[in-house]
Amino acid sequence: GEDVEQSPFLSVREGDSSVINCTYTDSSSTYLYWYKQEPGAGLQLLTYIFSNMDMKQDQRLTVLLNKKDKHLSLRIADTQTGDSAIYFCAESRASNNDMRFGAGTRLTVKP
Amino acid sequence: DAGVIQSPRHEVTEMGQEVTLRCKPISGHDYLFWYRQTMMRGLELLIYFNNNVPIDDSGMPEDRFSAKMPNASFSTLKIQPSEPRDSAVYFCASSTGGSQPQHFGDGTRLSIL
Repeated sequence: GEDVEQSPFLSVREGDSSVINCTYTDSSSTYLYWYKQEPGAGLQLLTYIFSNMDMKQDQRLTVLLNKKDKHLSLRIADTQTGDSAIYFCAESRASNNDMRFGAGTRLTVKP
Repeated sequence: DAGVIQSPRHEVTEMGQEVTLRCKPISGHDYLFWYRQTMMRGLELLIYFNNNVPIDDSGMPEDRFSAKMPNASFSTLKIQPSEPRDSAVYFCASSTGGSQPQHFGDGTRLSIL
């Protein structure tokens, strides 16, 4: 809920880069995650980052973490129509056995 | 490797009926989570288990909802009696640790008429 916030919509053109942003409130967050949900499917884990890291790259995906500002972003390079989906940011803490999800950002990729 | 398996994928039933949703977690995962997803409320955690024991059921909306995990490879979420406002997609997820990445099933789309 309010612990993790995301903008609801993002629209980009095919081939451009997409940047999806997320802010969280708890400074004790241990792990931060990005999930992708396509229509009619479950949440697919894309990538995650430990709180002691500030960047992680995996092929077209780059995760940036600004721990001071409690800001997480997911950059998708060369965005394709198949990247159209809802992207969820989530965080977890070592002291808690669950995760807190944002409301999701719906990414639309236009040809 | 098999992921989290949920059944049925779709369920349509009349209000007042009992509904049972099923989940098989990934083998070796000690944590199992049940979520509900709706347009209005987004993704809500209902309950989670650790080693088959319910740890936190504070998200269960009311007494009509119950969940069990009789063994490490099976869990059920039951709604009795069901109501139209229970219509949602219900997801099961599992993980190796409470704060570790959760792996989701494809969900059960439940429609209560």
